[in-house]
Amino acid sequence: DAGITQSPRHKVTETGTPVTLRCHQTENHRYMYWYRQDPGHGLRLIHYSYGVKDTDKGEVSDGYSVSRSKTEDFLLTLESATSSQTSVYFCAISERSLGEQYFGPGTRLTVT
Amino acid sequence: QKEVEQDPGPLSVPEGAIVSLNCTYSNSAFQYFMWYRQYSRKGPELLMYTYSSGNKEDGRFTAQVDKSSKYISLFIRDSQPSDSATYLCAMSLGDYKLSFGAGTTVTVRA
Repeated sequence: DAGITQSPRHKVTETGTPVTLRCHQTENHRYMYWYRQDPGHGLRLIHYSYGVKDTDKGEVSDGYSVSRSKTEDFLLTLESATSSQTSVYFCAISERSLGEQYFGPGTRLTVT
Repeated sequence: QKEVEQDPGPLSVPEGAIVSLNCTYSNSAFQYFMWYRQYSRKGPELLMYTYSSGNKEDGRFTAQVDKSSKYISLFIRDSQPSDSATYLCAMSLGDYKLSFGAGTTVTVRA
């Protein structure tokens, strides 16, 4: 998985609770991304980062926030989890903005 | 209409057969084309990356891009049971944003 780890790998949480997912990379790549994958929708970009403290929204960013205080770590936070955020979340990294993206192993999140 | 259309399958073939996977797209500005393989409960793994029309080979895999028809294909020769996975096409305008197909599930029967 190209030196990418995600934690936790599985999480069950209740509606209304905050949740933070962590992506850690050892490749020193500048760009990092958070996607969600749902049946029938494929992979959709939530947020991305183009450097430390530099982030921007993707196509499905409502209800999510991100932070990147170090090159190697990119955090995704659900401030108040909802059942519609039940999904598999993938982190990805790339060396260049138009380059190939490499994905982590994923986090399976269930919101009850 | 989705930007990228991909038949979800499922596709089942006998071992040794050629697997043919396709995606069509609507935005003629797409410049970069990728194929990912995703095993069950794993992250997508980059298989092929190309930015020009024509064919690109890598071992048993051939990626084909036809920009005039807005159509890309992935061929897997001499398929093996280990090729059983979901295959995702993805494309980019030339920036960070990738547009993915929904994925085609392939089973190679031993």
